[in-house]
Amino acid sequence: KNEVEQSPQNLTAQEGEFITINCSYSVGISALHWLQQHPGGGIVSLFMLSSGKKKHGRLIATINIQEKHSSLHITASHPRDSAVYICAVNDDKIIFGKGTRLHILP
Amino acid sequence: SQTIHQWPATLVQPVGSPLSLECTVEGTSNPNLYWYRQAAGRGLQLLFYSVGIGQISSEVPQNLSASRPQDRQFILSSKKLLLSDSGFYLCAWGETGLAFTGELFFGEGSRLTVL
Repeated sequence: KNEVEQSPQNLTAQEGEFITINCSYSVGISALHWLQQHPGGGIVSLFMLSSGKKKHGRLIATINIQEKHSSLHITASHPRDSAVYICAVNDDKIIFGKGTRLHILP
Repeated sequence: SQTIHQWPATLVQPVGSPLSLECTVEGTSNPNLYWYRQAAGRGLQLLFYSVGIGQISSEVPQNLSASRPQDRQFILSSKKLLLSDSGFYLCAWGETGLAFTGELFFGEGSRLTVL
């Protein structure tokens, strides 16, 4: 069974800082997702990737299949980026990490 | 475009009372539908999934049940709630089975507190 570990669990940073959230998993996968959960609880999909790197606005996601590791980066962070970021991997079913709670201070 | 609606958003129920959470999807046909629970400090746990009307698979033995009376409607129920049923429940739909090889779409969630 795949184990998904995210780090850090909690992160507080100042507005403008470069943010990195890490995700590691234990068994080979077909794809990895990064999700954003808003304070109200709703979840939106940010990225789905199986190799390399994807960029959307200030968000960048990378994955290293050999090392079984992915990172989510936020450039020029803003208070509206405050949310829980969840990593999820596709094995024979999807498995979710526990999330990283990000708080950006103005 | 596809949208997913889930209600109620918040629910406070006494132990032993029944539960009904409803989820509907728009903009797609024959979706794969899922119910997840998110307990405090834990990742999302898959409770039920459905690949079609009347077809329900349970991932975790528990006090809950699910039904799919229509193609785009998915209902989570309980006859008698337990304290341990408290949590945040999310409905989701995906394009291809359990593996979610396509994008994930989630409802806004329902926060259930059992007293």
